[in-house]
Amino acid sequence: EDQVTQSPEALRLQEGESSSLNCSYTVSGLRGLFWYRQDPGKGPEFLFTLYSAGEEKEKERLKATLTKKESFLHITAPKPEDSATYLCAVQGPDSSASKIIFGSGTRLSIRP
Amino acid sequence: KAGVTQTPRYLIKTRGQQVTLSCSPISGHRSVSWYQQTPGQGLQFLFEYFSETQRNKGNFPGRFSGRQFSNSRSEMNVSTLELGDSALYLCASSFAGRGELFFGEGSRLTVL
Repeated sequence: EDQVTQSPEALRLQEGESSSLNCSYTVSGLRGLFWYRQDPGKGPEFLFTLYSAGEEKEKERLKATLTKKESFLHITAPKPEDSATYLCAVQGPDSSASKIIFGSGTRLSIRP
Repeated sequence: KAGVTQTPRYLIKTRGQQVTLSCSPISGHRSVSWYQQTPGQGLQFLFEYFSETQRNKGNFPGRFSGRQFSNSRSEMNVSTLELGDSALYLCASSFAGRGELFFGEGSRLTVL
């Protein structure tokens, strides 16, 4: 069965303290792995798509990497405005949105 | 380029009433999907529409329904509201066949 597990559930960091969020996945025939950022009470904001093992994407203080079993979202020198819930999702061979599986998210809090 | 627009942003209803939520996708996106998000259940898939046709429906009772118009705008309706329907309802649009979902800010429904 396809599934996505994110860890940790919550992470509190000091401003400037780098860390990584993990997304472990099981899917038959990965079509794409996606990272989203969600602020409280708002819809998720698309960040990255990764398609194959070894691929990396960067955006400001965020870098996403992908292996055959997991993805990491590395946060370098975070700022308080990086506080949010980060969601990981995977899509298998079926292009339907109904087949996109979301993880439960990591709630990231950055203290000034 | 305008993002996904959802209306209304907030609404309060009482048990037994019905509600209609609206979603305008990003221009050029013909695929629209709906999700329910609650703290305990995370993102739950409701429906997916493409070219006015429902492609898939999630595991929700028949009280939840939707439709898509020729201009790709979509609506979802919940009849006979229950307390458990209180949630953030999110609409997402995408290019057909692509996994990147672009979410609106959501409609926060509170059922009293």
